[in-house]
Amino acid sequence: QVQLVESGGGLVKPGGSLRLSCAASGFTFSDYYMSWIRQAPGKGLEWVSYISGSSSYTDHADSVKGRFTISRDNAKNSLYLQMNSLRAEDTAVYYCASSSTVVTPIDYWGQGTLVTVSS
Amino acid sequence: EIVLTQSPGTLSLSPGERATLSCRASQSVSSSYLAWYQRKPGQAPRLLIYGASSRATGIPDRFSGSGSGADFTLTISRLEPEDFAVYYCQYYGASPWTFGQGTKVEIK
Repeated sequence: QVQLVESGGGLVKPGGSLRLSCAASGFTFSDYYMSWIRQAPGKGLEWVSYISGSSSYTDHADSVKGRFTISRDNAKNSLYLQMNSLRAEDTAVYYCASSSTVVTPIDYWGQGTLVTVSS
Repeated sequence: EIVLTQSPGTLSLSPGERATLSCRASQSVSSSYLAWYQRKPGQAPRLLIYGASSRATGIPDRFSGSGSGADFTLTISRLEPEDFAVYYCQYYGASPWTFGQGTKVEIK
């Protein structure tokens, strides 16, 4: 069955960096758009970024543009999120998610990994 | 950016009752791109409804979606114990994808 397993979360100081990973299995990874979606404590879900199957297309939310970079390695069935210049407001659970295209719903979600930005 | 507002924030109902959840968009949107998800504590969210009214694979028919324009509804006809959860709507027709803040359906 489809599995998306995030890792790499943790505690980081403001201004620091962190790299999240998502290991995918149970489907043809390269055929799917992959996304990162986050949920801050007590807040709703917020889309962060997505990437096409071939990596030819990416997009990021304005709140993270210039600081976060999404990438993928289809040979390793893995998705990444490089997060730089982290701020307190980036504190959230980060979910990895898959969809057929950018105009189709999210088929599957991971369980999430917690990122805490605090001094 | 399309802002989605869900109401109520919390719905307190008993098993067997009908649940009606609302999702209102800040402007008229295509119903082709409106989805509903369910999330239970400790679990990944699950797709329930896409295209405003199409059930995802394996979703029981007690879940139904409706609406058009700026007003959308998720209805659970008869609540089962496993349906008590948080429900989110999403618009995926344009970037950025946006989500409602969620409606918690709790046991009364």
